[in-house]
Amino acid sequence: QVQLVESGGGVVQAGGSLRLSCLASGFTFSSFGMTWVRQAPGKGLEWVALMWYDGSKKYYVDSVKGRFTISRDNSKNTLYLQMNTLSAEDTAVYYCARETREFSMSYDAFDMWGQGTKVTVSS
Amino acid sequence: SDVPTQPPSVSVAPGKTARVTCGGNNIGNKPVHWYQQKPGQAPVLVIYYDNDRPSGIPERFSGSTSGNAATLTINRVEAGDEADYFCQVWDTSSDHYVFGTGTKVTVL
Repeated sequence: QVQLVESGGGVVQAGGSLRLSCLASGFTFSSFGMTWVRQAPGKGLEWVALMWYDGSKKYYVDSVKGRFTISRDNSKNTLYLQMNTLSAEDTAVYYCARETREFSMSYDAFDMWGQGTKVTVSS
Repeated sequence: SDVPTQPPSVSVAPGKTARVTCGGNNIGNKPVHWYQQKPGQAPVLVIYYDNDRPSGIPERFSGSTSGNAATLTINRVEAGDEADYFCQVWDTSSDHYVFGTGTKVTVL
């Protein structure tokens, strides 16, 4: 069964850290770029970070640069998001998603999404 | 990066046609993708690369682009189409993916 399952969310104090994980199954994880997208309560979708299929390139939205790090372990079929120096503005549901094409180099869509993991930053 | 603009809401009667626009600089020159999101659920890709449909998406959904706008069209709207819809592009000026502001489609 093709799926993505996020974990690692929770409640954290402002200034704290969390690491999110996204376990992939049912497809060749190492062939696909993977991304994190978040959605604050009652708000729209915000793209957060992207890592190419081979890990050679990473991209971040400006608001998380220097605080968040995307990584992947292709041997474990897992995508990660290390989040440091969290603030209330980072409170959101975080989704991992897969790019549509194998060996994609951006410009792509996201055809598979996890169910999301909720992150709440308390001040 | 420029956030593509979408109308906050679109209302449509059952059986009619809904059109959701996504505006931005030279959007017609970029691949545009569209997502449907229902309350409490993850987004679902409904149109990619301007006008391709993933398997399982009804033919009633289609996309088009022209100049500075892209349009998602939903023909013969059904109650189950009521949802938020987001466009998405790759912004070459900032090397970012970016989602549009989102449109709530209400079926009357």
